[in-house]
Amino acid sequence: ETGVTQSPTHLIKTRGQQVTLRCSSQSGHNTVSWYQQALGQGPQFIFQYYREEENGRGNFPPRFSGLQFPNYSSELNVNALELDDSALYLCASSPPTGTAYEQYFGPGTRLTVT
Amino acid sequence: KQEVTQIPAALSVPEGENLVLNCSFTDSAIYNLQWFRQDPGKGLTSLLLIQSSQREQTSGRLNASLDKSSGRSTLYIAASQPGDSATYLCAVLHLSSGSARQLTFGSGTQLTVLP
Repeated sequence: ETGVTQSPTHLIKTRGQQVTLRCSSQSGHNTVSWYQQALGQGPQFIFQYYREEENGRGNFPPRFSGLQFPNYSSELNVNALELDDSALYLCASSPPTGTAYEQYFGPGTRLTVT
Repeated sequence: KQEVTQIPAALSVPEGENLVLNCSFTDSAIYNLQWFRQDPGKGLTSLLLIQSSQREQTSGRLNASLDKSSGRSTLYIAASQPGDSATYLCAVLHLSSGSARQLTFGSGTQLTVLP
C-alpha cells in the first residue's frame, strides 16, 4: 500500500511569484488536509478537502487556495508569495469517517521564498 | 478556539533516564490525541494515537496517557537513548469550521539525549 506522497521535495521561489504543491493521498482515503509548519513552530491547519470541496479552513488568507481531484489527489496553490510563506508544507490524507479516524502525513515540501 | 501547549520547550537528559513530556489543551471536545516525532528538516512520524474514549496507549518504550476532562496528556519515554533525540509534537483532532476535522498542534518539545 502506497503512503501519502508529495512533490516537489524542495522549492525555491521569489517574492510575488505563484507556487503549486502536489499531494497524492493514500489508497482508499477521500479527505486531504494541508498544514504549514514555519521554522520552530508546530504545523498550522490551512484547509481540508473532502470529495473535491473545501470543507474547512484555518486562519489563512485567500491567496492560499486548493483543489482536490476525482482520484482524491490535491494541490495547494499560493499566490503573491511573501517571505513569511517560507515553511514546510505538509499534506495529510484520511479515510472515510466511521473508521478509526487518523490523518496520515506525507514527507512535506520545503518552500523557500527569497 | 483550541490551543495546545507543550512543556518544556526543550529538555536535555543523560542516556538511560526515564522522562515525561507534557501536553495540555483548552477544549476537551476532541476525537483523539496524537504524539509525533520530528527529526530536523524532516516530516512527521506518528508515535501514538489515543482515541478520546481511551486512557493510554503503549508502544515499546513509549507510553502516552490522556485525561480528556482535565485537558492533559503525557508522553513517557523509558530508558532514553541518543536516537530518541528529536522534537516531539502533541496534536489534538477536533471539529473545525464547517465540517472539517483538523489537528491543532503544540509547538513541540526539543529532546536531546546525551551519550
